[in-house]
Amino acid sequence: QVQLVQSGAEVKKPGASVKVSCKASGYTFTGYYMHWVRQAPGQGLEWMGWINPNSGGTNYAQNFQGRVTMTRDTSISTAYMELSRLRSDDTAVYYCAKDSEAGGMATTSFDYWGQGTLVTVSS
Amino acid sequence: IQLTQSPSSLSASVGDRVTITCRASQGISSYLAWYQQKPGTAPKLLIYAASTFQSGVPSRFSGSGSGTDFTLTISSLQPEDFATYYCQQLNSYPITFGQGTRLEIK
Repeated sequence: QVQLVQSGAEVKKPGASVKVSCKASGYTFTGYYMHWVRQAPGQGLEWMGWINPNSGGTNYAQNFQGRVTMTRDTSISTAYMELSRLRSDDTAVYYCAKDSEAGGMATTSFDYWGQGTLVTVSS
Repeated sequence: IQLTQSPSSLSASVGDRVTITCRASQGISSYLAWYQQKPGTAPKLLIYAASTFQSGVPSRFSGSGSGTDFTLTISSLQPEDFATYYCQQLNSYPITFGQGTRLEIK
């Protein structure tokens, strides 16, 4: 069965960086884009971007351009999301989510999600 | 593309029929998905391509619409359906979500 297991909660100071991991199993990791979505406390969902695990290509939301870096290690079927220059309003739960369509075809949904990683930014 | 859900919150009883609407600021064809989220858990995919069930989703959930106007209907509410529901457009980047509809027990 498909599983996405994320790394544990983090507490960071303003200006620092955080790197969240997402280990995939139960499917061909390189066959499906991986998205990252965040949710601030009590708020809605915000898409951050995707990585193509096959090529390493990325597409970032404009709101995060210059601060986010998505990478992957295909040898261990793990995707990473690093966010730099953290601010207090980056406090949120960060999710990885698998694209439902294979091979970069036009995505129709995110069919599996990780359990979420709480990142708290506080001085 | 902005997605506006209505209502933002809703109180209903077990057995009720409930409809949530999602309006897009421009046409998105059928590139719309619906998710259910319970407190402390990740969103769960219910419907994609506006009206296609995700495997394992109960048949009391249904979706319809295309272009700019979409609906999610729960035909007979069950206790486990009380949650927050989000629509999502995947027609163009950036992918966006509606603000959510919180479904509460009356």
